[in-house]
Amino acid sequence: EAQVTQNPRYLITVTGKKLTVTCSQNMNHEYMSWYRQDPGLGLRQIYYSMNVEVTDKGDVPEGYKVSRKEKRNFPLILESPSPNQTSLYFCASSSVGHNEKLFFGSGTQLSVL
Amino acid sequence: DAKTTQPNSMESNEEEPVHLPCNHSTISGTDYIHWYRQLPSQGPEYVIHGLTSNVNNRMASLAIAEDRKSSTLILHRATLRDAAVYYCILRDRNYGGSQGNLIFGKGTKLSVKP
Repeated sequence: EAQVTQNPRYLITVTGKKLTVTCSQNMNHEYMSWYRQDPGLGLRQIYYSMNVEVTDKGDVPEGYKVSRKEKRNFPLILESPSPNQTSLYFCASSSVGHNEKLFFGSGTQLSVL
Repeated sequence: DAKTTQPNSMESNEEEPVHLPCNHSTISGTDYIHWYRQLPSQGPEYVIHGLTSNVNNRMASLAIAEDRKSSTLILHRATLRDAAVYYCILRDRNYGGSQGNLIFGKGTKLSVKP
């Protein structure tokens, strides 16, 4: 089954403790992206990757890192999480071409205490 | 990057048609118009997309203005399961560079009354 898998689904951590949220897709998609969703602010893009080893900042990249060493994986790294990074995070992927439908993961609810 | 403007919320009655508007006055000639929806407690899912002509699929119809500066997602008979946040985004068909910066915004929250 074609899917985007995020882990973990829920995560509670403390300020300053490094964490990684994983994202994996099994559709051989070139494009992958991370979004955060906060009440009243909608979906905001953090980082995106057009292909392996190619990443770029979205609208709210501060405090986050990403890497794209393999096509299927696009982890989101919080080196020193802070409470304002408490949010619902979504990973998305798509192929290249005119019919580039985005596929989203189920989300990761992160709480930073 | 081209952005879209949508109403914050709309209401509909069950089994009636719903027209969800989206303005994209700065759309470029290579931008496709995509619609996604997000059901409660789920990630967004694709609904429909188009370039110039109106489009239909099993979920909805997309009506695109002649000047392409606005579009309307049409749900022909709303059901309670259609209650969701609907997002209209623009996606450049030329893949590469900043075309990856996809702006979703806040979308339109659709409520469906029984």
